[in-house]
Amino acid sequence: DTGVSQDPRHKITKRGQNVTFRCDPISEHNRLYWYRQTLGQGPEFLTYFQNEAQLEKSRLLSDRFSAERPKGSFSTLEIQRTEQGDSAMYLCASSSLLAGGPLLTDTQYFGPGTRLTVL
Amino acid sequence: AQSVAQPEDQVNVAEGNPLTVKCTYSVSGNPYLFWYVQYPNRGLQFLLKYITGDNLVKGSYGFEAEFNKSQTSFHLKKPSALVSDSALYFCAVRDMSRGSTLGRLYFGRGTQLTVWP
Repeated sequence: DTGVSQDPRHKITKRGQNVTFRCDPISEHNRLYWYRQTLGQGPEFLTYFQNEAQLEKSRLLSDRFSAERPKGSFSTLEIQRTEQGDSAMYLCASSSLLAGGPLLTDTQYFGPGTRLTVL
Repeated sequence: AQSVAQPEDQVNVAEGNPLTVKCTYSVSGNPYLFWYVQYPNRGLQFLLKYITGDNLVKGSYGFEAEFNKSQTSFHLKKPSALVSDSALYFCAVRDMSRGSTLGRLYFGRGTQLTVWP
């Protein structure tokens, strides 16, 4: 188990540019989550996937944000026309929901995050 | 509405002393409760969770947490603190009520624990 990995770890961009982040979950984890964390706050939920299906999106996920998990493995989070308010740590987590197991007892394991700075 | 409160922004304790980091929650159904720890510039590491059963949950690194339904609390504890326990601790809840958004965790704002030698 190599853990959840995220790339890049740091991204500095100018306002108006597009950025894309990648998350590789723990092998064979079928659930993948994106959260955003700003300074002094706990992580806030953005969206999650079960396999390749995006099952839920937060109101925080504006039209400028899009997430994909095309083959049910890695996921990408794209932010278009970045704004200074998008500066944050973007966290990815994955979990495994065992077939036949108790519903929603899965534990989310987090990656190291991608820190985005929008100038 | 689902929410988690961590009433203390900071907790300071001497090494070797017991520590408690407080968490209270508000959900409309039965909660699933979690504690995570975050070191500087790192992601969150899972410590422990309460799903059902024994109200005292044991987790990683000697931490434990006590679930109290009547007080809607889930305080994190450790009998003897270490300097290396100094980090940011987050409590989180997953709402299990019918019609809730079942995927997400709701996090508190975090409590900075400092253990001095």
